[in-house]
Amino acid sequence: DGGITQSPKYLFRKEGQNVTLSCEQNLNHDAMYWYRQDPGQGLRLIYYSQIVNDFQKGDIAEGYSVSREKKESFPLTVTSAQKNPTAFYLCASSLRTGHGETQYFGPGTRLLVL
Amino acid sequence: AQSVTQLGSHVSVSEGALVLLRCNYSSSVPPYLFWYVQYPNQGLQLLLKYTSAATLVKGINGFEAEFKKSETSFHLTKPSAHMSDAAEYFCAVTGHGSSNTGKLIFGQGTTLQVKP
Repeated sequence: DGGITQSPKYLFRKEGQNVTLSCEQNLNHDAMYWYRQDPGQGLRLIYYSQIVNDFQKGDIAEGYSVSREKKESFPLTVTSAQKNPTAFYLCASSLRTGHGETQYFGPGTRLLVL
Repeated sequence: AQSVTQLGSHVSVSEGALVLLRCNYSSSVPPYLFWYVQYPNQGLQLLLKYTSAATLVKGINGFEAEFKKSETSFHLTKPSAHMSDAAEYFCAVTGHGSSNTGKLIFGQGTTLQVKP
């Protein structure tokens, strides 16, 4: 089955710790995205990648980093600089970026701070 | 710049009643509009998408939405609510333009409650 997988489902972070969220897709999509979801605020774009070895900051990139070494994978690292990391993180992909492309979402990772 | 406003953070209907979830958008260029549904602790699933081919768009699970340019609206409807429709619904917009990257701009979301 084609789709997007995210792991882990739940992740706990201690103060000062970096944690990495995994996102993998087997849809052969060029574009991948990371969103953060907070209650009552909809989804906000953290980073996106249009092609392998290239990525761009979204609206709330501070405290996060990404890499895109393979077409299928787009991991997100939440660094210690992100002071309020508790949220639901959603990864998405689309065939390409651009006008009207449909984004398909993974099941999400919930990050909690200990 | 594009923006989306969803009127009503919570909507409650009885099973079998009409569902109406409101979405208004702001865009300086012709938009593409989307409705997504999210069940608790899950990702978003596409319900339907407007791409200018037709103003009335039919989606999955009996939902449809009508694009009204004069009202800058894209409201989501379903004639008869089912208990399984209880979820959070998001309206989103992306626009045209040379700087467009396909970024989705989401509304705040509307939680639909269906009462038996």
